[in-house]
Amino acid sequence: GESVGLHLPTLSVQEGDNSIINCAYSNSASDYFIWYKQESGKGPQFIIDIRSNMDKRQGQRVTVLLNKTVKHLSLQIAATQPGDSAVYFCAENRAGNQFYFGTGTSLTVIP
Amino acid sequence: DAGITQSPRHKVTETGTPVTLRCHQTENHRYMYWYRQDPGHGLRLIHYSYGVKDTDKGEVSDGYSVSRSKTEDFLLTLESATSSQTSVYFCAISDGKDYEQYFGPGTRLTVT
Repeated sequence: GESVGLHLPTLSVQEGDNSIINCAYSNSASDYFIWYKQESGKGPQFIIDIRSNMDKRQGQRVTVLLNKTVKHLSLQIAATQPGDSAVYFCAENRAGNQFYFGTGTSLTVIP
Repeated sequence: DAGITQSPRHKVTETGTPVTLRCHQTENHRYMYWYRQDPGHGLRLIHYSYGVKDTDKGEVSDGYSVSRSKTEDFLLTLESATSSQTSVYFCAISDGKDYEQYFGPGTRLTVT
């Protein structure tokens, strides 16, 4: 069946290292993807998005890569900081304004 | 949280009682959404609204109803709460010009 999922449920990185969080999707018709960050006790916060006609997009310390051939999405965080510790979700747009969310990866930054 | 508030933030209720959760926005965005978040699941869409009095079902709408009488308010009602509806509920808004959704702080609902 169709799904939005993450390869790893947890990820621990040393402060200053780069982090890579992965997401797989199975609906080839999806045309828009978002990465969200969710801190404990708070709502998800938009990080970066990418449309299906792109394969890379950069923001401040974050980069999203999209590989449509293998239906894979990744979020790269450069120079990871303690404030980056959170759960990260990918979301897939399949129809109109409706999104399907992955279960999330918990990122822990070790000082 | 982009001008979105949810009330109450926490609620404990008994099985069989009605519950209404409120989402209020000050952004004048057209679209509003209700999601639930449970361990092992991503955010799942319950209902959404694309304008005043215009609503539609999401993937987990059974047992829930919604109403939107004003642009700024979107209400989620559990007519008769069940333990399976224990969850954290998030409201989100979108202007519809792009797909970005802004989320509220969430409501933690416990049904005993």
